[in-house]
Amino acid sequence: DAGVIQSPRHEVTEMGQEVTLRCKPISGHDYLFWYRQTMMRGLELLIYFNNNVPIDDSGMPEDRFSAKMPNASFSTLKIQPSEPRDSAVYFCASSFSGQGAGYTFGSGTRLTVV
Amino acid sequence: SQQGEEDPQALSIQEGENATMNCSYKTSINNLQWYRQNSGRGLVHLILIRSNEREKHSGRLRVTLDTSKKSSSLLITASRAADTASYFCATMDTGRRALTFGSGTRLQVQP
Repeated sequence: DAGVIQSPRHEVTEMGQEVTLRCKPISGHDYLFWYRQTMMRGLELLIYFNNNVPIDDSGMPEDRFSAKMPNASFSTLKIQPSEPRDSAVYFCASSFSGQGAGYTFGSGTRLTVV
Repeated sequence: SQQGEEDPQALSIQEGENATMNCSYKTSINNLQWYRQNSGRGLVHLILIRSNEREKHSGRLRVTLDTSKKSSSLLITASRAADTASYFCATMDTGRRALTFGSGTRLQVQP
């Protein structure tokens, strides 16, 4: 398996623009997580899905953020409109619900909003 | 929000020495996990210890868990330059499936 695949790796956009981040989890994993990492706040959980259903979105900063998982092999995180304070590295991770399972992280998307 | 507080924030040692990192948390947990992150990369799962376990080994890694003190430690023995990275503890709260990550320890191993 190629692991968790995120795209794009880097995104630079202007304030006010819409940004869409994409994630392909590992086949067979039934949990998918979106995290954001910044120097100031560390790793923050934004939202997670189980079997494509959103379970907890309490970490989504505000209504400008939305996430979907239309099927087991694809998820998107959308920011509309983007703001400079959204600049961060966004990670997608997936895991299997079996015992002893850790997360497999993607390489992340580094988002810069100017 | 972060739960785990890691200590030290940064650690610099010589190759061959042992590195110990500590993590404290606040809630009741199902398990505790340690991850490594190389600069500019995603996190890599190292080891998981369940709340009813006290110690676990994997290669050069040794993890302990003290639920009465709500603390864990990660020991890397005979460190190598390739161990240079940030190390994070993460807790899975009882009744929850998502991990809460600590602030991390930056480890520098000098060759």
